[in-house]
Amino acid sequence: GDSVTQTEGLVTVTEGLPVKLNCTYQTTYLTIAFFWYVQYLNEAPQVLLKSSTDNKRTEHQGFHATLHKSSSSFHLQKSSAQLSDSALYYCALSESSGSWQLIFGSGTQLTVMP
Amino acid sequence: GALVYQYPRRTICKSGTSMRMECQAVGFQATSVAWYRQSPQKTFELIALSTVNSAIKYEQNFTQEKFPISHPNLSFSSMTVLNAYLEDRGLYLCGASNTGTGDTGQLYFGEGSKLTVL
Repeated sequence: GDSVTQTEGLVTVTEGLPVKLNCTYQTTYLTIAFFWYVQYLNEAPQVLLKSSTDNKRTEHQGFHATLHKSSSSFHLQKSSAQLSDSALYYCALSESSGSWQLIFGSGTQLTVMP
Repeated sequence: GALVYQYPRRTICKSGTSMRMECQAVGFQATSVAWYRQSPQKTFELIALSTVNSAIKYEQNFTQEKFPISHPNLSFSSMTVLNAYLEDRGLYLCGASNTGTGDTGQLYFGEGSKLTVL
C-alpha cells in the first residue's frame, strides 16, 4: 500500500547549524502532492511546505524541500536552525486529483539546542 | 484566512461513556473533512473522510457505529466517540479542505480534542 517513511523519530541540532529531515514514500498514485506539516507544542498541525512538481525547490520560512520522484523523496532542509524551529514535523502525501487521502509519516521531533 | 475551530479542547470521561467533538470552518468551504486520531506516540490514524454529498468513508478498524460523523454543511462537522475505553485515548483532530478549489490535500486542522478515559 501507499506509505510515507520518516526514518528519524528524533533529531537534535545546535542553533545555527543545518538540519535535514528525511522523507521517502511509496505510492501507486499517478498524480501526487506532498506536504510538510509542522506541529508546535499544544497546537494544531499546519502546512509548512507543499509541492507536486518534480525537481522543483519549494521554500517557506527558511525551510526548503525538493520533490524527487526518481528517488521517491521529499526531504526537508534548513541551512541554519533556530530555537523556534523546535517542533514535530510530518511529511505527508495526497493524490492531487479526484478524491484524496492524506497519508502521514510517523513524524520527526526536531529539537534545536542553544 | 482559513481557520478551523475545534471544541472541546479536552474531555475527561468515564469508561463506557461518550464524547462528542465539533469542528467549525471559517473563511473557506469545508467540502471535505478528515478526522484523525493522534496517538500518545504522536502517529496519525485516519478515522474517516467525509465529503459533502458523498458517503462517509471509514478506514479499517474504525466504524460508524463507534465513531458516528455528521457533516451537514460546508462549515461544520462533528464526530462522537461512543462507549469510550482506554484504547480510545488520544488527540482527535479534524482537518478540513476545500477540494473544489483544486488545493487537494492541504488540510486546515483544528486544535484537537484531547480525550482522556478514566
